[in-house]
Amino acid sequence: QQQVKQSPQSLIVQKGGISIINCAYENTAFDYFPWYQQFPGKGPALLIAIRPDVSEKKEGRFTISFNKSAKQFSLHIMDSQPGDSATYFCAARGGSNYKLTFGKGTLLTVNP
Amino acid sequence: DTAVSQTPKYLVTQMGNDKSIKCEQNLGHDTMYWYKQDSKKFLKIMFSYNNKELIINETVPNRFSPKSPDKAHLNLHINSLELGDSAVYFCASSQGTARNEQYFGPGTRLTVT
Repeated sequence: QQQVKQSPQSLIVQKGGISIINCAYENTAFDYFPWYQQFPGKGPALLIAIRPDVSEKKEGRFTISFNKSAKQFSLHIMDSQPGDSATYFCAARGGSNYKLTFGKGTLLTVNP
Repeated sequence: DTAVSQTPKYLVTQMGNDKSIKCEQNLGHDTMYWYKQDSKKFLKIMFSYNNKELIINETVPNRFSPKSPDKAHLNLHINSLELGDSAVYFCASSQGTARNEQYFGPGTRLTVT
């Protein structure tokens, strides 16, 4: 049972464009929603995270939008740069053991 | 300074062998994790230790045995390796178990031939 569904699987954006990655979750016990960025050959690194008591969080060019009623959240990358090319994972945590459940990842390619 | 380190970075071995992967963190965290990332890049938690106590033990074959000698170290021992064990294994750490950031190591790419 996949508790966090992520789309699209891959995304190609031109430099300067907006990249949008979407995630949906099922478990209403989730209360922490991070996004991780992973470059080839490296471990995932936290990019930005949100709690369900806010609808949006912005850090530089990265914004999370959160819709609690729809159980959906998304990552927006403004002014996308070739250096943003990486795999992005959404995740959700909550429940009795605080396990972090990951989406399947989105491979973002930003063309120069 | 490396925050979360893993050794070895690459591990190539034959089916049936036993191998270990070591993880160390110098962040002063009290919780450590092992994740498996398969060929499709899907990340799945395997184990978690908080203050040397096992708190997460996912549906993982009992050929996999974690061991935490102290809060800064979490090792993973794998017995009787199978082809399906080929993957990248990531160690991570966090302070506490709730909403705190997990810091990942660089990964160990295990190839079973």
